[in-house]
Amino acid sequence: DAKTTQPTSMDCAEGRAANLPCNHSTISGNEYVYWYRQIHSQGPQYIIHGLKNNETNEMASLIITEDRKSSTLILPHATLRDTAVYYCIVAYSGAGSYQLTFGKGTKLSVIP
Amino acid sequence: DTAVSQTPKYLVTQMGNDKSIKCEQNLGHDTMYWYKQDSKKFLKIMFSYNNKELIINETVPNRFSPKSPDKAHLNLHINSLELGDSAVYFCASSQGGGKLFFGSGTQLSVL
Repeated sequence: DAKTTQPTSMDCAEGRAANLPCNHSTISGNEYVYWYRQIHSQGPQYIIHGLKNNETNEMASLIITEDRKSSTLILPHATLRDTAVYYCIVAYSGAGSYQLTFGKGTKLSVIP
Repeated sequence: DTAVSQTPKYLVTQMGNDKSIKCEQNLGHDTMYWYKQDSKKFLKIMFSYNNKELIINETVPNRFSPKSPDKAHLNLHINSLELGDSAVYFCASSQGGGKLFFGSGTQLSVL
């Protein structure tokens, strides 16, 4: 079972920032927070990941609370192409490979 | 060039048949995966291979058998197909860590 809780759906106006929350209150000290998204009919796409510190890349920013029990993915300027299901995943390393457990995710709809 | 490629994209077959899905990655990654996404859109890991060695084998019927001829390929063979096998199957690869690159999926329909 997924170790994360996310809202089922969210709307965001085009051009505005999309803030997607995720709760992971049972996260262990050596587990990372990963974010992926899946645009309709495509394979999941990696977005960003972090352990403790906030992270930023060309796609998004990841804000992790100090107690690491929750995080927020920020898409700074949402476009229509950002409409997708966003998955927050807590991942551990086992025997050389990561077992990513995908939950239900948040369906983000970017509205013109 | 596509990083992780799967063939075929669509596969329609009758119950009881045996079929294969091929996956190739040109990223030089050591680890490859098979995931299944069912009609309710849940994405579940099936297998993981690291350098041609099986690492993860989730609760999957033994009708499903992964085969890795080299570390760039991980094929999925399915024997005696059942209606419940209908799903989208995704191949993925990674070079350690949880940053996976997924293929575009194979939609399997069992009639």
